[in-house]
Amino acid sequence: QQQVKQSPQSLIVQKGGISIINCAYENTAFDYFPWYQQFPGKGPALLIAIRPDVSEKKEGRFTISFNKSAKQFSLHIMDSQPGDSATYFCAASMWGNQFYFGTGTSLTVIP
Amino acid sequence: DVKVTQSSRYLVKRTGEKVFLECVQDMDHENMFWYRQDPGLGLRLIYFSYDVKMKEKGDIPEGYSVSREKKERFSLILESASTNQTSMYLCASRGQGVYGYTFGSGTRLTVV
Repeated sequence: QQQVKQSPQSLIVQKGGISIINCAYENTAFDYFPWYQQFPGKGPALLIAIRPDVSEKKEGRFTISFNKSAKQFSLHIMDSQPGDSATYFCAASMWGNQFYFGTGTSLTVIP
Repeated sequence: DVKVTQSSRYLVKRTGEKVFLECVQDMDHENMFWYRQDPGLGLRLIYFSYDVKMKEKGDIPEGYSVSREKKERFSLILESASTNQTSMYLCASRGQGVYGYTFGSGTRLTVV
């Protein structure tokens, strides 16, 4: 079964808007939650990651919000730009073990 | 920066062929992984390796095998390619003490 559930499958946002992608997990032993960004023809690249001891992490226009009690985390992209158009994957892992990926969200930012 | 290189960007093979997908990383990473990526299914782990000559099955190992004779190289082998193995294959590596993966650019395999 899917260890990490991601939604929505696709997202269209106007330039300057906020893009929000959500993920949920079941295994409370997970201790690392990264987001990967993938452009067409490229492999996924690490965008931002969070550990469960903090509720939020911000890097530039990208923010992860983490809700440990709800077992959910989300990616917020502020002031979305056409260059942010890509597929985004959330993931979860326990240290030293494999990553479990969500099914991906295709983001399109309209100029 | 760590570089993970997959030898082929695109491959077309016939059903029943034995297929080798090669992956090389240049940062002395212990851990290497093979995933396949399919629309709507995300990335699914096929095999991984924590050290030379070590291999562990992932979630979907059926129809695949791997080889890791040298630390920098991790090969995925399709013993007898089938059309349902048409997919994007991604190799990744991770060093000890590092959380994140570094991915290669992928190999898009089509089995006809």
